[in-house]
Amino acid sequence: EPEVTQTPSHQVTQMGQEVILRCVPISNHLYFYWYRQILGQKVEFLVSFYNNEISEKSEIFDDQFSVERPDGSNFTLKIRSTKLEDSAMYFCASRRWVEANEQFFGPGTRLTVL
Amino acid sequence: AQKITQTQPGMFVQEKEAVTLDCTYDTSDQSYGLFWYKQPSSGEMIFLIYQGSYDEQNATEGRYSLNFQKARKSANLVISASQLGDSAMYFCAMREGHRDNDMRFGAGTRLTVKP
Repeated sequence: EPEVTQTPSHQVTQMGQEVILRCVPISNHLYFYWYRQILGQKVEFLVSFYNNEISEKSEIFDDQFSVERPDGSNFTLKIRSTKLEDSAMYFCASRRWVEANEQFFGPGTRLTVL
Repeated sequence: AQKITQTQPGMFVQEKEAVTLDCTYDTSDQSYGLFWYKQPSSGEMIFLIYQGSYDEQNATEGRYSLNFQKARKSANLVISASQLGDSAMYFCAMREGHRDNDMRFGAGTRLTVKP
């Protein structure tokens, strides 16, 4: 069964460093998402991406964040200068088309900023 | 303002019994979708069940059913015949029709199934 994959599973970085979190959505899906979950808290929407551009973003997704689909398979989230409060689990998700109900989530990348 | 409210931070249930996890939502849209996800201790998000706002019947998926009461804006998850493997965090989420591209989650309920 096709699934969303994410790498790395755990990333440790120093405050102020740039990180890139990688995701491979399900191959015939058209809509891509990033969410984050601070430890012990709820899942929060960051950004959605369709047709090679951001379609919606939350107030969390400020200028420090960017997303890219550099090729036909990868979908990346870049945090330009990490802060301590960026420490969280980051989930990638994909959806086949706008009428499809289910969003398939990846296993997540745990980001730890020291 | 909170869009999704889960008022039970933790719930306990005896193995083989049924349990209801509460979820209320707030939207002015006529078209919306409601979701439940399970998050075990390993961290992944597992889709359980979906209810569309125009669906006349309550959604069911195996041991999971969604008690959808539109007038009360509630979408409670019912798990029948609880199993030890059901112990996890459960998140209710909503996708509104006018914001078709994102999903808003509740704070979650931690369910513990006791043997």
